[in-house]
Amino acid sequence: RKEVEQDPGPFNVPEGATVAFNCTYSNSASQSFFWYRQDCRKEPKLLMSVYSSGNEDGRFTAQLNRASQYISLLIRDSKLSDSATYLCVVNPGTASKLTFGTGTRLQVTL
Amino acid sequence: GAGVSQTPSNKVTEKGKYVELRCDPISGHTALYWYRQSLGQGPEFLIYFQGTGAADDSGLPNDRFFAVRPEGSVSTLKIQRTERGDSAVYLCASSASGGNSEAFFGQGTRLTVV
Repeated sequence: RKEVEQDPGPFNVPEGATVAFNCTYSNSASQSFFWYRQDCRKEPKLLMSVYSSGNEDGRFTAQLNRASQYISLLIRDSKLSDSATYLCVVNPGTASKLTFGTGTRLQVTL
Repeated sequence: GAGVSQTPSNKVTEKGKYVELRCDPISGHTALYWYRQSLGQGPEFLIYFQGTGAADDSGLPNDRFFAVRPEGSVSTLKIQRTERGDSAVYLCASSASGGNSEAFFGQGTRLTVV
């Protein structure tokens, strides 16, 4: 089983739609969780950290379910500029590597 | 600039040659990561430095790959006897203190082995 698993997509949604991505992780001891965004042929950039209580940043909401070992990202009112690959990232400990999923590609259309 | 800098941005080399890829992290960042990314895949972990020492090198695929960070700042990824399968984008990232803090990526070095 992969350490971090994501549906690769692509998810094709119209502007204004709500879209959700899930990610599962295998290491139950994992401590930190993130969503990164990667545009085509660019480097990944942090979108948001994921906290146990869930967190929201504008149109983006991230949630963590430790019991089921999954993380979700919800994007409301999708914009064309949201088109990118969204990478789920897990850190098993405070001084450890970041493990990336393969990414979920989102394409927002008119 | 103040971001992570990687050089060269592109490197084409012949099979069997030796290459060095350089990463200049954000000043003051103690943690440095190397990843490689193939088309359609997420970044694959290679090695993680905390200061000068390699805290985790479990991702290095074989002994042709080696990385150093002698003064706790700039890092060099070295690949000996390159193979066509080594072709990928090699990404470097740094963070202030390690796994709980945001990792900032450089723009990567696109390595092509012909």
